[in-house]
Amino acid sequence: AQSVTQPDIHITVSEGASLELRCNYSYGATPYLFWYVQSPGQGLQLLLKYFSGDTLVQGIKGFEAEFKRSQSSFNLRKPSVHWSDAAEYFCAVVVQGAQKLVFGQGTRLTINP
Amino acid sequence: DTEVTQTPKHLVMGMTNKKSLKCEQHMGHRAMYWYKQKAKKPPELMFVYSYEKLSINESVPSRFSPECPNSSLLNLHLHALQPEDSALYLCASSQDDRSGGYIQYFGAGTRLSVL
Repeated sequence: AQSVTQPDIHITVSEGASLELRCNYSYGATPYLFWYVQSPGQGLQLLLKYFSGDTLVQGIKGFEAEFKRSQSSFNLRKPSVHWSDAAEYFCAVVVQGAQKLVFGQGTRLTINP
Repeated sequence: DTEVTQTPKHLVMGMTNKKSLKCEQHMGHRAMYWYKQKAKKPPELMFVYSYEKLSINESVPSRFSPECPNSSLLNLHLHALQPEDSALYLCASSQDDRSGGYIQYFGAGTRLSVL
């Protein structure tokens, strides 16, 4: 069955430090991959997506992600985090002909001042 | 404009009440979704409407009843809920659901508490 794994439940980084959030997927075909961010009590906002083509994708708020087929990974990166980046981050994959968006368990990001 | 509007933002109801959650989008999207999200968990798909027809029901209890009156509006009718149904209910929409290449846009959610 298709699945998404985010190995890190909680990550703490200092403001200005670089960030990498890990995401691994299990899917037989070419996946459609997404990263969403959720601030407390809010809905989900799309950061970036990968459908095909260039494996390094740029998103909003200075985030980028790299699709590595050989590692079944789609890790999210940011060179320098800001206090406003503190939130829950979800990696997701579309399955079953696009009707189902399956999420990883999420990674909670805390920023130290 | 990529806005999905959900009302109300907060809802408190008793186990014998009947209430409804509302979701609206004006992006011309033809697929709409209901998700349930418990604290510290990812969203879980409940229902998918495609071109105003229910296409997926993820074995959701009948005390949750979805309705799609038109292409812009999605309702979730609630009746005889249990305390464990307390959660954040998220609505989403996408241009279509017949290809993986469409983004789902989420509303801010309705925080539901069942007493």
